[in-house]
Amino acid sequence: DVKVTQSSRYLVKRTGEKVFLECVQDMDHENMFWYRQDPGLGLRLIYFSYDVKMKEKGDIPEGYSVSREKKERFSLILESASTNQTSMYLCASSPDRRENSPLHFGNGTRLTVT
Amino acid sequence: QQQVKQSPQSLIVQKGGISIINCAYENTAFDYFPWYQQFPGKGPALLIAIRPDVSEKKEGRFTISFNKSAKQFSLHIMDSQPGDSATYFCAAKGFQGGSEKLVFGKGTKLTVNP
Repeated sequence: DVKVTQSSRYLVKRTGEKVFLECVQDMDHENMFWYRQDPGLGLRLIYFSYDVKMKEKGDIPEGYSVSREKKERFSLILESASTNQTSMYLCASSPDRRENSPLHFGNGTRLTVT
Repeated sequence: QQQVKQSPQSLIVQKGGISIINCAYENTAFDYFPWYQQFPGKGPALLIAIRPDVSEKKEGRFTISFNKSAKQFSLHIMDSQPGDSATYFCAAKGFQGGSEKLVFGKGTKLTVNP
């Protein structure tokens, strides 16, 4: 069974802080993703990576960056947290780039920025 | 621009009833249509998926109906059970702007009353 583990379930940070959200997958998946989930807005893609040290912007990358130094780990970085980044963050991985390659999600990190 | 429109936002069904969630898309380059199911406190998980070369796919009580000419697809849950209460996301995958994208609908919160 694929396991995608997000390091924190809940996180409270202050405005202006640098925030790291960590994600680890244990199935040697090629692809990793960061999504943001907000009520009424669904799932929005922030960044994704198809390979180690590779990253691509998703639909809402502003205010975020990512790091993928190892295949199994994909970190989301909020350089200077703001209150509008209060949200549920979901990490996902998929085996490869085949069309029907399913996303495997972690259980999310609920970030509150005060 | 909302690329995948999902309705309704919320749905309440009695146990044993049929739940129907509808999605519509614009981009004819989309060629793979998965549905994800999310229980409270968990990440979404792939439920069922369809490709546009078939009009219907059934897995147990879950059926996807696909209308290529109308660019619409829907999820039907037969004999709905309280355990089906979850948020459902439709999605569409295909090439857009030179890269392959998976676009989610905004989600439908389904409540099945006992």
